[in-house]
Amino acid sequence: DGGITQSPKYLFRKEGQNVTLSCEQNLNHDAMYWYRQDPGQGLRLIYYSQIVNDFQKGDIAEGYSVSREKKESFPLTVTSAQKNPTAFYLCASSLRDRSYEQYFGPGTRLTVT
Amino acid sequence: AQSVTQPDIHITVSEGASLELRCNYSYGATPYLFWYVQSPGQGLQLLLKYFSGDTLVQGIKGFEAEFKRSQSSFNLRKPSVHWSDAAEYFCAVGAGNQGGKLIFGQGTELSVKP
Repeated sequence: DGGITQSPKYLFRKEGQNVTLSCEQNLNHDAMYWYRQDPGQGLRLIYYSQIVNDFQKGDIAEGYSVSREKKESFPLTVTSAQKNPTAFYLCASSLRDRSYEQYFGPGTRLTVT
Repeated sequence: AQSVTQPDIHITVSEGASLELRCNYSYGATPYLFWYVQSPGQGLQLLLKYFSGDTLVQGIKGFEAEFKRSQSSFNLRKPSVHWSDAAEYFCAVGAGNQGGKLIFGQGTELSVKP
């Protein structure tokens, strides 16, 4: 079955620690995206990557970092510089020439205390 | 700047009743428009999309949406709601030249009464 996996589903961290969220896809999609979801605010784009070894900042990139070493993988690191890291994080992917047709993973809920 | 507004935060309908969820967008050119559905604690699933052509688009699960340029709207409709349709619904617009960037509305939570 093709799809996007995000792990873990729930993640708990202490304030001041960096944490990395995993996103893997086997859809052979070129582009991958990270969104943050907060109640009542919809989804906001953190970072996106249209090709391996290249990525661009989205609207709320501060306090986050990404890498794209493999086509299938796009991990997101939430650093200690992110002021309000507790949120639901969604990863998505798409074909490069159909970039608006994005397929979403199940999400990771991160809680930082 | 591009934006999407979903005026209704929460809507309750009775099972079997018709449904319309409102979406208004702000965008300079012809927009790419989308509706997604999200069940609690899950990812988003694409319901339907509009790129061009026929302004009435059909999607999965019996949903349809109509693009009205004069009203800058892309409302989602379903003739008869099922209890399994209870979820959160997001309207989104493709942000032109920014490589697949989607701008989402705040979402509308749908509850279905038996």
